[in-house]
Amino acid sequence: QSALTQPASVSGSPGQSITISCTGTSSDVGGYNYVSWYQQHPGKAPKLIIYHVSYRPSGVSNRFSGSKSGNTASLTISGLQTEDEADYYCSSFTSTTTLYVFGTGTEVTVL
Amino acid sequence: EVQMLESGGALVQPGKSLRLSCVASGFTFSSYAMSWVRQAPGKGLEWVSGIGGSGGNTYYADSVKGRFTISRDNSKNTLYLQMNSLRAEDTAVYYCAKFGDCSGGNCYSYFQHWGQGTLVTVSS
Repeated sequence: QSALTQPASVSGSPGQSITISCTGTSSDVGGYNYVSWYQQHPGKAPKLIIYHVSYRPSGVSNRFSGSKSGNTASLTISGLQTEDEADYYCSSFTSTTTLYVFGTGTEVTVL
Repeated sequence: EVQMLESGGALVQPGKSLRLSCVASGFTFSSYAMSWVRQAPGKGLEWVSGIGGSGGNTYYADSVKGRFTISRDNSKNTLYLQMNSLRAEDTAVYYCAKFGDCSGGNCYSYFQHWGQGTLVTVSS
């Protein structure tokens, strides 16, 4: 099972919006509405920020939003803030034998 | 408050075995599927293994199938990962993760909570 494809890095200025893509196949991203996104600061455990493509857990800022089109999911961060600097991973349930797959990860830099 | 505390990480030689544990609290442990996810130094997240709430269903990544065994003891609120025939490429921080609820009938759709991880180093 190959990892989902994300851009290695994305950057933006404070206040701007950025979008991170996550490309899979019809066996994972395209086949189910079970895409989730995680934020990971250096040395910390990942934190869930989006689940089921576009749902935000309680306590997560509404500056984070998710969407999906075909085999590609996207995470948008609006009103970029310095604390948004982190690594972001998408993931998806998959119909293959391995059950679950993560994306390659994207480093977000706030300029 | 949901908490998960992993333990058992260590420096181990290639070919040896190790067992990781994850003690959970703050939720009804037996009602949720659980998983292990690892992260090699400087690398991305890799899903390793998952188990249903009752322990009856288990799943593995191809990279560990046949070498690792996931299990749980619901009476002790504890998740385990038995790792045999360890290789250098198994070196990673291993996270215990709790799946979300069974929305839409899928109990394995996202990781709602994560532990802080335990480091496994495989080296001679």
